[in-house]
Amino acid sequence: EAGVAQSPRYKIIEKRQSVAFWCNPISGHATLYWYQQILGQGPKLLIQFQNNGVVDDSQLPKDRFSAERLKGVDSTLKIQPAKLEDSAVYLCASSLAGRGGLDTQYFGPGTRLTVL
Amino acid sequence: AQKVTQAQTEISVVEKEDVTLDCVYETRDTTYYLFWYKQPPSGELVFLIRRNSFDEQNEISGRYSWNFQKSTSSFNFTITASQVVDSAVYFCALSESPQGGSEKLVFGKGMKLTVNP
Repeated sequence: EAGVAQSPRYKIIEKRQSVAFWCNPISGHATLYWYQQILGQGPKLLIQFQNNGVVDDSQLPKDRFSAERLKGVDSTLKIQPAKLEDSAVYLCASSLAGRGGLDTQYFGPGTRLTVL
Repeated sequence: AQKVTQAQTEISVVEKEDVTLDCVYETRDTTYYLFWYKQPPSGELVFLIRRNSFDEQNEISGRYSWNFQKSTSSFNFTITASQVVDSAVYFCALSESPQGGSEKLVFGKGMKLTVNP
């Protein structure tokens, strides 16, 4: 079974530029998550989708970050404009039904973003 | 609020040594789930184990074992006879039971394990 796919794996941009990340979850997984992992810290949830609806985006900096999950499968996360503090690894995860701890979250390889 | 503390930030051992990674959690919920993930240098978080709050039985899987103690709010992870391939950052995480809202995982800061040959 294919895992969670993410692209690109690495991205370097200048501050104030925009960037987009793509995620394809495990087939059949209804719930998709985007996490931000700053160097030396654990991942922090940015947004959670259940199918194509948002369940939680309370920690998403909405003035610059946006995310969508059209058709309830693939998802894109966008940052516009980027700031230096956005340098981090952006991890996508998916789970079968998003029933809290009942469903294990499986993670993709992440996108390492460097903002200069 | 949920909180996960991994007091150790970095441990270095020699191959074949046993090593224990500590995890202490805080939650007001009576139903919750605890997880351990491994993050090798490639960056992908690899699921290791899930435990629910009603199951305090210790678990062993090959060289890995987990000790869950509700009385001390701890969920410690032991690697027996460590190997170089165990070198990674290990994260403990907590998820509370869903109540119509987000089922997000709250992670500790991680513990970097280096196993030297």
